[in-house]
Amino acid sequence: EAGVTQSPTHLIKTRGQQATLRCSPISGHTSVYWYQQALGLGLQFLLWYDEGEERNRGNFPPRFSGRQFPNYSSELNVNALELEDSALYLCASSLASSGRDEQFFGPGTRLTVL
Amino acid sequence: KQEVTQIPAALSVPEGENLVLNCSFTDSAIYNLQWFRQDPGKGLTSLLLIQSSQREQTSGRLNASLDKSSGRSTLYIAASQPGDSATYLCAVPPIGTSYGKLTFGQGTILTVHP
Repeated sequence: EAGVTQSPTHLIKTRGQQATLRCSPISGHTSVYWYQQALGLGLQFLLWYDEGEERNRGNFPPRFSGRQFPNYSSELNVNALELEDSALYLCASSLASSGRDEQFFGPGTRLTVL
Repeated sequence: KQEVTQIPAALSVPEGENLVLNCSFTDSAIYNLQWFRQDPGKGLTSLLLIQSSQREQTSGRLNASLDKSSGRSTLYIAASQPGDSATYLCAVPPIGTSYGKLTFGQGTILTVHP
């Protein structure tokens, strides 16, 4: 069974540009989570999508947004990039209705803002 | 607000030692607790999910225990190997639910030297 996949692996942008990150969940999983792991700051929750709807949002500015598609894959968009957006962005998927909600993570996208 | 703390922040041991990693949480109304491993620059690998109704969960050389009343979980690694070197993270879902965003500890950096 294929795990969570993310693309691209690395992304280099300049300040002010926009970045789009993609995530494909494990087959059958309906929930997708996005987390940011910046150097020295630990893992911070960004967004949660389930069944195509945004269920929860972390303490991030509105320039961080996303969506979930009918096939449950998801996109994270970051507008007006700032230097401090440089981080590893991790996507996780789960089957919330299972009652266990074990989250499985992808390999991440390393975003570098110059 | 749930807070998760991991002690120690770093641990260096010789190969073959048995070791214990600690995780504490401030609110005991958790449904489950998940342990992860993260290699440098990589995504998270789920090691164990322990439900609130369980006291222990085992996978190979790993054993996780959960004591909700004291707000603690421990991850026991038997006969450590250099390949066990990684950062170990514990995480819990929101209070009173089994799913949703995870709150992570800061992690324990484990080094096992030959």
